[in-house]
Amino acid sequence: DTAVSQTPKYLVTQMGNDKSIKCEQNLGHDTMYWYKQDSKKFLKIMFSYNNKELIINETVPNRFSPKSPDKAHLNLHINSLELGDSAVYFCASSLNPGLVPETQYFGPGTRLLVL
Amino acid sequence: KQEVTQIPAALSVPEGENLVLNCSFTDSAIYNLQWFRQDPGKGLTSLLLIQSSQREQTSGRLNASLDKSSGRSTLYIAASQPGDSATYLCAVIPLGGQNFVFGPGTRLSVLP
Repeated sequence: DTAVSQTPKYLVTQMGNDKSIKCEQNLGHDTMYWYKQDSKKFLKIMFSYNNKELIINETVPNRFSPKSPDKAHLNLHINSLELGDSAVYFCASSLNPGLVPETQYFGPGTRLLVL
Repeated sequence: KQEVTQIPAALSVPEGENLVLNCSFTDSAIYNLQWFRQDPGKGLTSLLLIQSSQREQTSGRLNASLDKSSGRSTLYIAASQPGDSATYLCAVIPLGGQNFVFGPGTRLSVLP
């Protein structure tokens, strides 16, 4: 009965590779998010999708491309991975009446290490 | 630009103590403020959500207050337990924004 799930949990890869992280929520929420938590533990928004449409795109390199095949899924594809991409990536979802988010529910995180 | 800070960065207390975690934000124009808990290697768990029109919220041993005009919130934990050990994150949604702006967190250790 997992609410927000992410795969994989751990990802170790070489610089220059392309990788994807998947996220699924079974809460029936309209909005999904990707956050990045760096080595200093700061959590920062990367993207937000509402009903499969992009509504937030912070200053993120275009090597990062989110894809939402339906409102229950928001996947993150990263091209040409760099050392600085090493971080924990969290997916989240919320029910958004009027597009102002209420409580957000977070996935367990994907720990990405780029060598 | 909204910035969120949290003091202290880390806190260690003996079991049973009452404690206060502090959160400050630079712009008082917010929709709401939320406190989260993050356990090592895990995601975030929502603890308390305070709307901008509210002054406080309570859940069990937790009480969160909001003073929007001064840009401050506190999370009060009563009768702390070792199971409360975690990182506590404060986050706000700025007016006109749609995503949370997080603070750096306070790492709490409750010693048995």
